Amino acid sequence: KAGVTQTPRYLIKTRGQQVTLSCSPISGHRSVSWYQQTPGQGLQFLFEYFSETQRNKGNFPGRFSGRQFSNSRSEMNVSTLELGDSALYLCASSLGTGGLGANVLTFGAGSRLTVL
Amino acid sequence: AQSVTQLDSHVSVSEGTPVLLRCNYSSSYSPSLFWYVQHPNKGLQLLLKYTSAATLVKGINGFEAEFKKSETSFHLTKPSAHMSDAAEYFCVVSRKAAGNKLTFGGGTRVLVKP
Repeated sequence: KAGVTQTPRYLIKTRGQQVTLSCSPISGHRSVSWYQQTPGQGLQFLFEYFSETQRNKGNFPGRFSGRQFSNSRSEMNVSTLELGDSALYLCASSLGTGGLGANVLTFGAGSRLTVL
Repeated sequence: AQSVTQLDSHVSVSEGTPVLLRCNYSSSYSPSLFWYVQHPNKGLQLLLKYTSAATLVKGINGFEAEFKKSETSFHLTKPSAHMSDAAEYFCVVSRKAAGNKLTFGGGTRVLVKP
């Protein structure tokens, strides 16, 4: 059973550019969540999508956006990149979106973004 | 609002000795609690979860954690450390009605000495 696949694994951008990251969830999983990991701020929730609808959103500026397609694959986009956006971006998938809070998230290996 | 505090940023143990990683949480609601592990250049892997069933939770690779509501703690233990346990560990809290929005602690990096 394939895991969560994130592409690209590594990328370098310059300030002001934009970037799109992709996440393919485990087959059958309908929820996709995104997290940002930095040495200074740790792991922070970006947003969650379920059945193509954004269900939750973290405290990030509007430059961070995402979407989910009908096959549950998800993309996140960061526009007008800043140096502080350098981070490991992790995607996680699960069967559902909580309820009893018992859903298990399976994380991908992440996309490491460096902004110069 | 909810938050998680991992009391040690680094823990060093000798192989074969017990491991204790401390976690305190704060939540206005009945929480779900998790421990995740992250090995270098890898994604996060779930070790165990507490969702209001038994207070002593057993996880993978010999890890277990005990939920203590009176102390708002969810410490992770393992009786005997193995070299492969060297990694970063995250205590995580989630509100049951908040979907998959997880709040992570700052992490504890574990070093295992031979």
